Amino acid sequence: DAGVIQSPRHEVTEMGQEVTLRCKPISGHDYLFWYRQTMMRGLELLIYFNNNVPIDDSGMPEDRFSAKMPNASFSTLKIQPSEPRDSAVYFCASTRRNTEAFFGQGTRLTVV
Amino acid sequence: GQQLNQSPQSMFIQEGEDVSMNCTSSSIFNTWLWYKQDPGEGPVLLIALYKAGELTSNGRLTAQFGITRKDSFLNISASIPSDVGIYFCAGQPREETSGSRLTFGEGTQLTVNP
Repeated sequence: DAGVIQSPRHEVTEMGQEVTLRCKPISGHDYLFWYRQTMMRGLELLIYFNNNVPIDDSGMPEDRFSAKMPNASFSTLKIQPSEPRDSAVYFCASTRRNTEAFFGQGTRLTVV
Repeated sequence: GQQLNQSPQSMFIQEGEDVSMNCTSSSIFNTWLWYKQDPGEGPVLLIALYKAGELTSNGRLTAQFGITRKDSFLNISASIPSDVGIYFCAGQPREETSGSRLTFGEGTQLTVNP
């Protein structure tokens, strides 16, 4: 298996633009997590899905953030409109129930 | 909510020295995991612990799941330059409502001087 695949690896955008981050989980994994990593706050869970259904989105910072999982092999995290304080590394991770989470390589987002 | 306190925040050691870091929690976890993150990469799992009191080794790494279920430590013996990175502990709570959700510690930045 290729592991969790995220795209793009790097994204630079202007404030106010829409940003879409993509994730392909490991085949057979039924949990998918979106994390954000910053120096100040470390790794924060934004939202997670089980069987494509959002279970807990309490970590989503505000309404500008939205996430979808239309099928078992694809998820998106969208920020609209983006702001400089959204600059961070965004990780996607997947797992089967009660097993270890595997992380993608992350998307480094810079909003200028 | 659950919180994990990881210490130390950073360590500067000489090659060949042993390293120890730990995490404590305000609540009970079913699983403790230790991850390492290299620059520009995602966290990679090092060791997983599933039972209170469990002691597990993976090469030069040894980790233990505390008997109270509220703490864990990671030891690295005979450190080498490639051990440099950020080490995270992560706890998985009882599964009543949280599924496989993980709570992460703040990380320990390890620097190894040759």
